[in-house]
Amino acid sequence: QKEVEQNSGPLSVPEGAIASLNCTYSDRGSQSFFWYRQYSGKSPELIMFIYSNGDKEDGRFTAQLNKASQYVSLLIRDSQPSDSATYLCAVNNPGGYNKLIFGAGTRLAVHP
Amino acid sequence: GAGVSQSPSNKVTEKGKDVELRCDPISGHTALYWYRQSLGQGLEFLIYFQGNSAPDKSGLPSDRFSAERTGGSVSTLTIQRTQQEDSAVYLCASSLGLLTALSGNTIYFGEGSWLTVV
Repeated sequence: QKEVEQNSGPLSVPEGAIASLNCTYSDRGSQSFFWYRQYSGKSPELIMFIYSNGDKEDGRFTAQLNKASQYVSLLIRDSQPSDSATYLCAVNNPGGYNKLIFGAGTRLAVHP
Repeated sequence: GAGVSQSPSNKVTEKGKDVELRCDPISGHTALYWYRQSLGQGLEFLIYFQGNSAPDKSGLPSDRFSAERTGGSVSTLTIQRTQQEDSAVYLCASSLGLLTALSGNTIYFGEGSWLTVV
């Protein structure tokens, strides 16, 4: 089992719809959860992070965390073609070392 | 500096040659990370520095790979006797400190060094 799992996609949604991106992680000790966006040929950029169970909203983005189910998701409201990118879920490594473990990413395609 | 700076941005090298990749983290960031991303793949952790020491080198693929950090700032990733499978983007990142819920820290990436071994 991979430490951080994401559906590779592509996830295709129409412009204006809600895109839902999901991520599961294996280590119950993980405390910090991050979503990065990566455009083709570019480096990852941070969208948002979440530490507590529940929802965290930032503009059109909402991160949801359920530690009991070891599940974190990202919702993008009013999806735009400019949101088309690969979305990477990352989890801090609770094993004593200070690093993020990344999922393989979900490719999102928003079509007009 | 304003962001994580990496050089070179692109490097084409012949198989068997050594290469050095440089990373200048965000000013004041004590933690520095190297990741590798092969074409169409996810990010693979290589090594983590806290200050000048590397508590976690577990991701280095082989003894051909080494890294150092000096002055708590600039880091160099060295790949000796490069192989074609080393071709990838090498991403450096830095963070202000520990990645804990209490600290609220996260990591910020540079633009990467694209390495092609021919």
